[in-house]
Amino acid sequence: RKEVEQDPGPFNVPEGATVAFNCTYSNSASQSFFWYRQDCRKEPKLLMSVYSSGNEDGRFTAQLNRASQYISLLIRDSKLSDSATYLCVVTPTGFQKLVFGTGTRLLVSP
Amino acid sequence: IAGITQAPTSQILAAGRRMTLRCTQDMRHNAMYWYRQDLGLGLRLIHYSNTAGTTGKGEVPDGYSVSRANTDDFPLTLASAVPSQTSVYFCASSDRGGNIQYFGAGTRLSVL
Repeated sequence: RKEVEQDPGPFNVPEGATVAFNCTYSNSASQSFFWYRQDCRKEPKLLMSVYSSGNEDGRFTAQLNRASQYISLLIRDSKLSDSATYLCVVTPTGFQKLVFGTGTRLLVSP
Repeated sequence: IAGITQAPTSQILAAGRRMTLRCTQDMRHNAMYWYRQDLGLGLRLIHYSNTAGTTGKGEVPDGYSVSRANTDDFPLTLASAVPSQTSVYFCASSDRGGNIQYFGAGTRLSVL
């Protein structure tokens, strides 16, 4: 079983739609959780950290469910510029080694 | 502020040749990392360095070596390139205790 699993998509949504991605992780002792965004042929960039209480950053909401070992990302009022691949990232215990999911591709259309 | 600079941006290499991918950061971050990204496999850690003078092996270290002579530079060397090393290579860095990593723009390497 992969340490971090994501639905590869693509998720095709119209502008203005709400879309949600889930990601599951296998190591119950994982400590930190993040969503990174990667545009086509570009480097990954941090979108947001994921906190146990859930957190929001504008149109983006991230949540963590430790009992079920998954994190989620909700995007409201999708914009064309949200089209990208969203990488779920988990930090196991110990050294700050990040484990990346393979990503979920989002395509927002006019 | 440049952040992390990788060179070259792309390279076509004959199998068996030696190649060094360069990575330089100007953020004075302690930790640096090398990843490869392949379709369907995501980002996989090749080698890392917690601080200058130390290095460690990641998930896929075979065929690669690194050095960390100073804080800013973290070159990745392929001693004898093979076609399976065709990939996009990303260098990243993070500050002390930081789980947030900052990535360079990547090097696209094709080994023929």
